[in-house]
This record gives sequence, structure tokens and C-alpha cells, in this order.
Amino acid sequence: GEDVEQSLFLSVREGDSSVINCTYTDSSSTYLYWYKQEPGAGLQLLTYIFSNMDMKQDQRLTVLLNKKDKHLSLRIADTQTGDSAIYFCAEVMNRDDKIIFGKGTRLHILP
Amino acid sequence: DTEVTQTPKHLVMGMTNKKSLKCEQHMGHRAMYWYKQKAKKPPELMFVYSYEKLSINESVPSRFSPECPNSSLLNLHLHALQPEDSALYLCASSQDDSSNQPQHFGDGTRLSIL
Repeated sequence: GEDVEQSLFLSVREGDSSVINCTYTDSSSTYLYWYKQEPGAGLQLLTYIFSNMDMKQDQRLTVLLNKKDKHLSLRIADTQTGDSAIYFCAEVMNRDDKIIFGKGTRLHILP
Repeated sequence: DTEVTQTPKHLVMGMTNKKSLKCEQHMGHRAMYWYKQKAKKPPELMFVYSYEKLSINESVPSRFSPECPNSSLLNLHLHALQPEDSALYLCASSQDDSSNQPQHFGDGTRLSIL
């Protein structure tokens, strides 16, 4: 099938690192994305990684890609209350360029 | 702040009304998209416009009618909607519709059908 799988919920203490995991289906996907959605808002593109990369770092965000296992992760260092949101993993299907979203991981920050 | 602007932010309409959702971007993007997002679900693609021409219609009912008057604007005309059409409608744009161009989303229009 064309499922992108994510855990639905993650709870992290403020200041700790958050790691959100995702598995995707199309081994020939060229780009994989992480989007953030805050309440009442659209999807904000956080970062993306090209399939020939293993890792991408952008300030507090680190994306790791394991192509063999079709596993993608997003690490947020020093998690802040403003990071509270739903995080969607997405892949672009190589055959038709359609973007397939996971169901989203709700990140809850504990004080 | 979002570079894709959607209006209105909220819309309540009856099943017999006719209304339109609007989307605007000034990034020079040539692909624009409409998505529907129900609560606690990922967005679902409805339509794709590429260079102002409709390139994908994901079997959307005819009560939803998209229109792309120019490269910066995308409308979604609504008529005779059903209560199950209540959702967040998201517009997105990208440089073009190829896989290596990320989509940028607006904040959406929250639509409620009475």
C-alpha cells in the first residue's frame, strides 16, 4: 500500500530532545518532508531530505534517513513549548509525484 | 507568516448557498493545489493546477469547482455542499509540480456546513 506510518503521540519534557519516527513505502521516493501544523494553521514546511542523503541538520532540527529500512526520523534538540504541534512526515511518490502524508504525530511538551 | 494567503479564514454556509474560497501566492510558483483536511487526519489532495491548467482531479464531487484565473490565484467554488464537507481546506503552491519542489501551504479556510 501507500501508507506512511507514524506514531500518533509523543510526550517530551521541555529542554529534552524529541525524536519523531516515520516509515515510508516507496523506496524510489526522491524527497521526504517534515511538515509542522499548529492548531488552526496550515502546514509549515520544516525541512526535507533528498534520498541520496543520510542526514541533514538545520539548527535544532536533525533528519536521519535509513533508505534500507525506509525509515525517517526528525530530532528536535532542546524542545520548547513553541514546538508543540502535529508533525507530518510525507513522501513524494516517484511514479506520479503525488505527496503522501502520514497521519501526523502530536508532540506534547511537559513543563 | 505564510507566503500563501487564503481567504476567508472561516466560513459557515448552508447547503443551498454558493460561496468561493480564495488562494493567492506571489512566489512565482506555477503549481497550485487544493487539499481537504478533516480533524485529526492528514490532508487529502483534491486538485492540482500546473501552469494554470487542471492536471489532477482526485475524483472530487462536482459540487466543488476549482478555477485558476491566473498564475497567482486559485479559487474553489462551492455549491450545494453536504455536512460531511465540513473541514479545513488548504491551498498549497510549489515551483512546479515535479517531485523535487516542496509545497508551501496556506493557513487554510475552516468550512462549516449547516
